[in-house]
Amino acid sequence: RVRLQESGPGLVKPSETLSLTCVVSGDSISGSPYYWDWIRQSPGKGLEWIGSIFHGGSTYSNPSLKSRVKMSLDTSTNHFSLNLTSVTAADTAVYYCARGPRGIISIWGLGTSVIVSS
Amino acid sequence: EIVMTQSPATLSVSLGDRVTLSCRASQSVDSNLAWYQQKPGQAPRLLIYGASTRPTGIPTRFSGRGSVTEFTLTISSLQSEDFAVYYCQQYNSWPPLTFGQGTKVEMK
Repeated sequence: RVRLQESGPGLVKPSETLSLTCVVSGDSISGSPYYWDWIRQSPGKGLEWIGSIFHGGSTYSNPSLKSRVKMSLDTSTNHFSLNLTSVTAADTAVYYCARGPRGIISIWGLGTSVIVSS
Repeated sequence: EIVMTQSPATLSVSLGDRVTLSCRASQSVDSNLAWYQQKPGQAPRLLIYGASTRPTGIPTRFSGRGSVTEFTLTISSLQSEDFAVYYCQQYNSWPPLTFGQGTKVEMK
């Protein structure tokens, strides 16, 4: 069974960089035919797609965040990561990592809460 | 960017009801439409993809229909575990992947 588990700082100061990691078990990132995704949900709000990364390092980001988003894969430890720079209070959200075939988000992590506050 | 609009925002229903949720795309998404269910404090769960295909393990009371710009999700007989928020999402033209704002199914 495939499982994804997010980890992150919980609290980030404004203007700093948010760094999140998603550890994958039950599947190998290396050569996987799936996309590895990041989605977030602000308190009481709907879902916002942040970006996706494919094996080989191809990335796709939401244009609304594109200049602040960096994603990477680490095949040696079977995890993928998200860096979001210059955060503000508007980046406060639950962040989910996920996996799926192109554009379909079929397996989700449990989510990790991130608060941006000084 | 393709905008997804769901209606209604909230649906008040009773156990055993047949429930239909709607989703409209601002331009054609063909059949590249997924539905997700989210319960409080949980991650979303994929219910439907390809507008009408259920993944393994999704109960048959959930069904999806539609194509191009108009889609529906139907729950044939609402069970207690179906009270949740439901989101549609297009994956025809991306980036970005886009979600609807959600429909909350609550007890009448």
